[in-house]
Amino acid sequence: GAGVSQSPSNKVTEKGKDVELRCDPISGHTALYWYRQSLGQGLEFLIYFQGNSAPDKSGLPSDRFSAERTGGSVSTLTIQRTQQEDSAVYLCASTRGGGGTGELFFGEGSRLTVL
Amino acid sequence: KQEVTQIPAALSVPEGENLVLNCSFTDSAIYNLQWFRQDPGKGLTSLLLIQSSQREQTSGRLNASLDKSSGRSTLYIAASQPGDSATYLCAVRPNYGGATNKLIFGTGTLLAVQP
Repeated sequence: GAGVSQSPSNKVTEKGKDVELRCDPISGHTALYWYRQSLGQGLEFLIYFQGNSAPDKSGLPSDRFSAERTGGSVSTLTIQRTQQEDSAVYLCASTRGGGGTGELFFGEGSRLTVL
Repeated sequence: KQEVTQIPAALSVPEGENLVLNCSFTDSAIYNLQWFRQDPGKGLTSLLLIQSSQREQTSGRLNASLDKSSGRSTLYIAASQPGDSATYLCAVRPNYGGATNKLIFGTGTLLAVQP
């Protein structure tokens, strides 16, 4: 596709359920990021993938959060046993720059609401 | 620890005015700086990327400058239009002996251009 694609655009779930959020980066982009934007807060880094290298998971807030990237393309962010504080917009971005240092392009985000 | 601040938090101007948005960062060791706009309920749209060796970048009515030594960047918008109304975010990529994986975002400036 022409841009970064994320699904679902909106997800409402009950506390304790697991959710999966999907990101399809721009074709040819080797680096992929997940960020979280909570209401009234800035963007919070979650995880970074670059090619076949081990991901940088340093931003994941707890072990309930995990992410994978299959075939160097599509990524899935999984939140297990969701809590109300997980409610936020989850944004995915990709870049083509060497070492992932180029211009970042973001998707429209997945808005998660945990009841 | 790198911190990014944007002032003002909100700005309202009449259509046609030229305006300046400010971004400051506490650590001058950056690899690059990127400006984004975010419309309500949407993802981030990249506006300009300035590498640490550059002083400014221009795109249409937008001009971004970078003064790394003083930890400041400005986004100049010429002849503002109602369609420019959005939240503007700046983000720096720290350089600690090499570019880091994560961008550090400011909390944004909410711009309203009145027709």
